[in-house]
This record gives sequence, C-alpha cells and structure tokens, in this order.
Amino acid sequence: GAGVSQSPRYKVAKRGQDVALRCDPISGHVSLFWYQQALGQGPEFLTYFQNEAQLDKSGLPSDRFFAERPEGSVSTLKIQRTQQEDSAVYLCASSLAQRNTGELFFGEGSRLTVL
Amino acid sequence: QKEVEQNSGPLSVPEGAIASLNCTYSDRGSQSFFWYRQYSGKSPELIMFIYSNGDKEDGRFTAQLNKASQYVSLLIRDSQPSDSATYLCAVRATNAGKSTFGDGTTLTVKP
Repeated sequence: GAGVSQSPRYKVAKRGQDVALRCDPISGHVSLFWYQQALGQGPEFLTYFQNEAQLDKSGLPSDRFFAERPEGSVSTLKIQRTQQEDSAVYLCASSLAQRNTGELFFGEGSRLTVL
Repeated sequence: QKEVEQNSGPLSVPEGAIASLNCTYSDRGSQSFFWYRQYSGKSPELIMFIYSNGDKEDGRFTAQLNKASQYVSLLIRDSQPSDSATYLCAVRATNAGKSTFGDGTTLTVKP
C-alpha cells in the first residue's frame, strides 16, 4: 500500500500478557518512529530508527518495552507483561530521510486495551 | 512544564471566521516547527511546517514563527466545519530525530 500500515488495529490484552505491534512503513522511508498517544493527549515519543539502527530509545517508559527493525523496513514494538497504564494508541510514523523536512507520515495506529 | 505547550481549548469559531491557534516551546535550539491536524479517531496529518522566523502561507493556512519569543501559531482563514479537529503543534530540535508534540487544541467550527 501507499501509506504506513499498522497491525493489529485493535488489541485487547489481559494484564501480564505480552503483545507485539507491527508497523510497515512507506516504501523507501529511512526513518521510523513509534509514538504512544493516550486519550486527550498528544503523541509521546517512544523510539526512532534510521534504517535498522535504533538511534533513540529515550522515550521507552520501561524495560518492558522493546522495539526492533531488523532489516530496515518493518518494525515491531513489543510490550512484555502489559499493565493497565499501557492502554493507549500506538502510532507508527515514517519519514523519507534523515535530513529532510521532518514531515511524519502516520499509520492509523494500534489501539491497545489492557484489562 | 511540557516542552511544547498549547491551549487545550475547545476553541469555537463561526464558519467563515479566522481561527488562531497558539503554541510555545521551551527548547531554544529547536529548528523545525510543524502543525498537524488530527480528526477524532484518526491519525495526525501534516498541515504546515516552518523553519524561519516570519509567516508562511499555504491556501487558507498561515503559520507564524517567532524564535525569540519561542512561539509558533497557526491561522486558519475562512474556517469551515470540516476544519473541526484537534491541531497538534510539534517541534524538532535538530535536522533529524524525534518531533515533540503538544497536547493539541480542539477546534470546533460552527455552521
């Protein structure tokens, strides 16, 4: 597809379960970002990849959160032992190159609900 | 204090009026400034970006940047009901890397 694709769109997990969220960026986009958006708030930065290199993971809230992009294309955000406070929309965004306008193209998000 | 501050609103304007949305940021080293629009239940989409002090116009939208005051604004002329959405201000510190978002201002344009 032409846009950023995320799956699943909706995920319900029981507290303590592990979840994996997938992001397929726009073809050719070098940079990939993960954001967490709680209801009524703006997106909060989690982590950033340039190709397969994770250049910034300063926003990951705990060591339960892990992201990878092994081949520089598809990325997976994994949350281990989910907690209720992890409930949010997880947005993936891609960008054409490192030094560019900085425009982010967002996917539709994965809404995670932890019961 | 958040790095990027916006009035949460809601901001309500009549159709055809000018809507003015404001944003302040704390990092003086910020280089790039963005306005995204987010409809309810949807993902953000870019409306404008601005790098230099002054005004930048694109159709009904004008972005204004004042780096000395650490202030960026978005004006929407001839507001339409379809402009009703949350407007997110985002700031990027360098030529690469993350953008930091405010919590957004909710705009309602009444017919």
